Amino acid sequence: EVQLVESGGGLVQPGKSLRLSCAASGFKFDDYAMSWVRQGPGKGLEWVSGVNWAGTKGYANSVAGRFTISRDNAKDSLYLQMNSLRTEDTGLYYCAKAVGALDEDALDLWGQGTMVIVSS
Amino acid sequence: QSALAQPASVSGSPGQSITLSCTGGDSDIGTYKFVSWYQQFPGKAPTLLIFEVNKRPSGVSSRFSGSKSGNTASLTISGLRPEDEADYYCSSYVDGGPFELFGGGTKLTVL
Repeated sequence: EVQLVESGGGLVQPGKSLRLSCAASGFKFDDYAMSWVRQGPGKGLEWVSGVNWAGTKGYANSVAGRFTISRDNAKDSLYLQMNSLRTEDTGLYYCAKAVGALDEDALDLWGQGTMVIVSS
Repeated sequence: QSALAQPASVSGSPGQSITLSCTGGDSDIGTYKFVSWYQQFPGKAPTLLIFEVNKRPSGVSSRFSGSKSGNTASLTISGLRPEDEADYYCSSYVDGGPFELFGGGTKLTVL
């Protein structure tokens, strides 16, 4: 089955760290660009970070310098290391697969999301 | 980088055609063909409706169509149905910045 399954979310205090994981199955993972997209409670979608097939990474201005995206093609997995977390980072974090290998490709497969709550 | 501009809400009647707009700038929609549209139902993950301005993924109804003119992209839904009631988000590739920029989303109500 073609799917993405996120894990690693939870409740964390401001300033702390969290690592999200996304397990992919049913497709050739290393052929595609991958992204993390988040959605705050009652809010819209916000692209957070992405990595293309060649390993080139991109970040939203709001997380640059605090978050690090990585992929392990041998394990068909995507990760998001989140440091110095802020209350405004609270939200549902989706892992998403691109239509193709490039930065600019649309996202055609989404996981169900993992919830991150940053609160003291 | 500011979000792409979408109207917060639109409404239509069953059978009607309706167009949702998405306005960006020269560094995103105005330059690139990489404009996408997503549909999201409450409590569900988004799904891709349109990519590269006007292409439909396999399985998406032909009632959904996309276009672009200048810095504005549009999603047209023809033959509106009650089950089309959802949130719709546009996105575009961005020059020299993050890979993707989303719009704020439009809530479509089918009266």
